[in-house]
Amino acid sequence: LAKTTQPISMDSYEGQEVNITCSHNNIATNDYITWYQQFPSQGPRFIIQGYKTKVTNEVASLFIPADRKSSTLSLPRVSLSDTAVYYCLVGDGGGYNKLIFGAGTRLAVHP
Amino acid sequence: GAVVSQHPSRVICKSGTSVKIECRSLDFQATTMFWYRQFPKKSLMLMATSNEGSKATYEQGVEKDKFLINHASLTLSTLTVTSAHPEDSSFYICSALAGTDTQYFGPGTRLTVL
Repeated sequence: LAKTTQPISMDSYEGQEVNITCSHNNIATNDYITWYQQFPSQGPRFIIQGYKTKVTNEVASLFIPADRKSSTLSLPRVSLSDTAVYYCLVGDGGGYNKLIFGAGTRLAVHP
Repeated sequence: GAVVSQHPSRVICKSGTSVKIECRSLDFQATTMFWYRQFPKKSLMLMATSNEGSKATYEQGVEKDKFLINHASLTLSTLTVTSAHPEDSSFYICSALAGTDTQYFGPGTRLTVL
């Protein structure tokens, strides 16, 4: 199973850009990289997904280098409501689409 | 689009009783759904993979006779916690696979066993 490594926690301030980097050295050729956001007592919310290069949507950007061994989630101009746990996930590489959650990154946004 | 619901959102039951949790994909069909549990301040732990029309595949250490999973249609999977005990108290979350690569999660069900 592909494993991911992320910082345990990060702090930021309102209005700043936040970049969270995830390492996935054993990512399989057919695996996508997906990021989720989770608030307390809620299910994870899909943020963005990519395979390579750069992906951007209305809430975030995802940067993936050519070797795909890492990825960076970029949140522009964070607000207090972005305080949450962010999970980086890749597929299990076995074609079963299982996601094995790591500890995630606990982002705290301060006024 | 890609909305997943769970029912109930929270349930309190007595030790020894069984509890059923429903997971529905509201606007898409999901051949595969997943069940997770999450303890306070911890990450999600995959319990089982539920495939429509076939038996669920359980992760190592998860008792299949205790956590019964049924995936009878392309939009509904159920998890039944049988003979629940206080240690089964947890936050149970389901997800549904949209297409082949993206899982969408339900809001979770808080189970408290007294």
